[in-house]
Amino acid sequence: GESVGLHLPTLSVQEGDNSIINCAYSNSASDYFIWYKQESGKGPQFIIDIRSNMDKRQGQRVTVLLNKTVKHLSLQIAATQPGDSAVYFCAENTGTASKLTFGTGTRLQVTL
Amino acid sequence: KAGVTQTPRYLIKTRGQQVTLSCSPISGHRSVSWYQQTPGQGLQFLFEYFSETQRNKGNFPGRFSGRQFSNSRSEMNVSTLELGDSALYLCASRMGADNEQFFGPGTRLTVL
Repeated sequence: GESVGLHLPTLSVQEGDNSIINCAYSNSASDYFIWYKQESGKGPQFIIDIRSNMDKRQGQRVTVLLNKTVKHLSLQIAATQPGDSAVYFCAENTGTASKLTFGTGTRLQVTL
Repeated sequence: KAGVTQTPRYLIKTRGQQVTLSCSPISGHRSVSWYQQTPGQGLQFLFEYFSETQRNKGNFPGRFSGRQFSNSRSEMNVSTLELGDSALYLCASRMGADNEQFFGPGTRLTVL
């Protein structure tokens, strides 16, 4: 499969547990944030997004939290499943520009 | 609805050669962006095209270029290939500003 990052931080969780993946961003002007999931051999897949005028947004089994004060973003996955195993990236941009700035990624391993 | 498609999926070239990669966006999407993904640098924005015009550009040398056709299909070209150009090249499309980007599976370029 694809090697999207040889030295990625890895989070290992047991199936059924909740996962929390963290991301720090640097540009205080960023106003749009996205979490992507990338499985081996595939391109990044959109999970959830949040704008800077919000601090929390929920999707199906996922929640994104945004703390603008400390420039921190987190992705919470409830009841983690084996299919959640992948590399997760946070991305940010400003305004409506297409230029996304990606974080380094976190590898999530789900153990049975 | 078909997703973003990229051709070829895999490519092997030698240093000094040039290469052209192709991306077909989702039907109706007018914006196409290109990203380079490497283990060392992660995901980096190359450029964005919208309605056949380059709208945004990342910090890559002039050897990297692209274009977009009237049907929104896009190509990127890399001339005088270097070993460091070995990467997964990802294309993403979106309908317009303020919309989610959808990524293709990427083209894996290996430069020998």
